[in-house]
Amino acid sequence: AQSVTQLGSHVSVSEGALVLLRCNYSSSVPPYLFWYVQYPNQGLQLLLKYTSAATLVKGINGFEAEFKKSETSFHLTKPSAHMSDAAEYFCAVSDGPWGKLQFGAGTQVVVTP
Amino acid sequence: SAVISQKPSRDICQRGTSLTIQCQVDSQVTMMFWYRQQPGQSLTLIATANQGSEATYESGFVIDKFPISRPNLTFSTLTVSNMSPEDSSIYLCSVVTDLNTEAFFGQGTRLTVV
Repeated sequence: AQSVTQLGSHVSVSEGALVLLRCNYSSSVPPYLFWYVQYPNQGLQLLLKYTSAATLVKGINGFEAEFKKSETSFHLTKPSAHMSDAAEYFCAVSDGPWGKLQFGAGTQVVVTP
Repeated sequence: SAVISQKPSRDICQRGTSLTIQCQVDSQVTMMFWYRQQPGQSLTLIATANQGSEATYESGFVIDKFPISRPNLTFSTLTVSNMSPEDSSIYLCSVVTDLNTEAFFGQGTRLTVV
């Protein structure tokens, strides 16, 4: 069975600073990995996904993530935080392409001026 | 992509009653799922809605409590039966349009049971 662990339930960053959200996965098979963002009172929006192609994945809104098999990690980064990045971020894993996802606990990002 | 409409967007219900949530997609999709997001927590998969047959439930979820229908490739319903305050959550519909594409999510239904 797959699972993901997100380190840090809350992260506070200054506007313009690096955003780094950590995600480690546990999977017995090559995983499909995803990062989703949830803005207040909204559904989930896909930021990016890894499906065994390039290990460095670029997503929307300037986010990217690097798949590191040796570290079983899929950390999300953004070089410069904007106020609009304040939201909750979820890492998710699937053992197949069908959208049956196992989510991490989520990380709430606060951006300070 | 897929545009998902969930109804109702929110509701306040009395304990012991049932609520049916609808999920309508603007195009035919391969897979439909229902998730629950309890207050301050992550998302948990309830079940996979199968067209024309019984849904496939995850551990901890049963058909008597969460009956699901999927009569065609664009529509599904989730019923939360005999509700208690512990059922207060956001319920989200999710769809996959094709192999190797990402899951799209509806806006969710915010349910409060009093």
